[in-house]
Amino acid sequence: DGGITQSPKYLFRKEGQNVTLSCEQNLNHDAMYWYRQDPGQGLRLIYYSQIVNDFQKGDIAEGYSVSREKKESFPLTVTSAQKNPTAFYLCASSNQDREVGELFFGEGSRLTVL
Amino acid sequence: GQNIDQPTEMTATEGAIVQINCTNQTSGFNGLFWYQQHAGEAPTFLSYNVLDGLEEKGRFSSFLSRSKGYSYLLLKELQMKDSASYLCAVLDSNYQLIWGAGTKLIIKP
Repeated sequence: DGGITQSPKYLFRKEGQNVTLSCEQNLNHDAMYWYRQDPGQGLRLIYYSQIVNDFQKGDIAEGYSVSREKKESFPLTVTSAQKNPTAFYLCASSNQDREVGELFFGEGSRLTVL
Repeated sequence: GQNIDQPTEMTATEGAIVQINCTNQTSGFNGLFWYQQHAGEAPTFLSYNVLDGLEEKGRFSSFLSRSKGYSYLLLKELQMKDSASYLCAVLDSNYQLIWGAGTKLIIKP
């Protein structure tokens, strides 16, 4: 079945370490997104990509990096420069032919910094 | 600024009806979305409104008043599986989604 797969589901890291979260989709969607979800707050956009080899900063890009070398893949690296990285990270994709804003989400990756 | 307000938590009884409100103050408006998110899971799309009025989809309906910056999600014949968070999101003038913090709905037998 088609969908979005995020891994790992749970991740622990020490302060000062970089970590990369994987996001793969087989929906043939052009656009992909990374969001951060914190308790009591709405989803906040980190980075998004409308097409291969191109991506744009969202509202909270500082301390994060992404790449979009393949249509199916949009990995997110949480660097040591991110001051408060503990959060639930959601990857999403969308199809240009559907309503703008109708997103398909992965199951999420919960990152805890020790 | 961009602001989406919705209640933090609501409680309702199985079989009843509940209305979850969402008010928005955003830079422009190009549509409003409702998503459902069960604890620890991915949000899933419920509805999209761009014109004023009520959109009905089975037990769920969504209403929009653009002039009042107001929307609600109406859930009828509540079932235990409807216990989840309901996220309101507005597509602003730049076609970026602005998300509310979500409303946690607790269904009691």
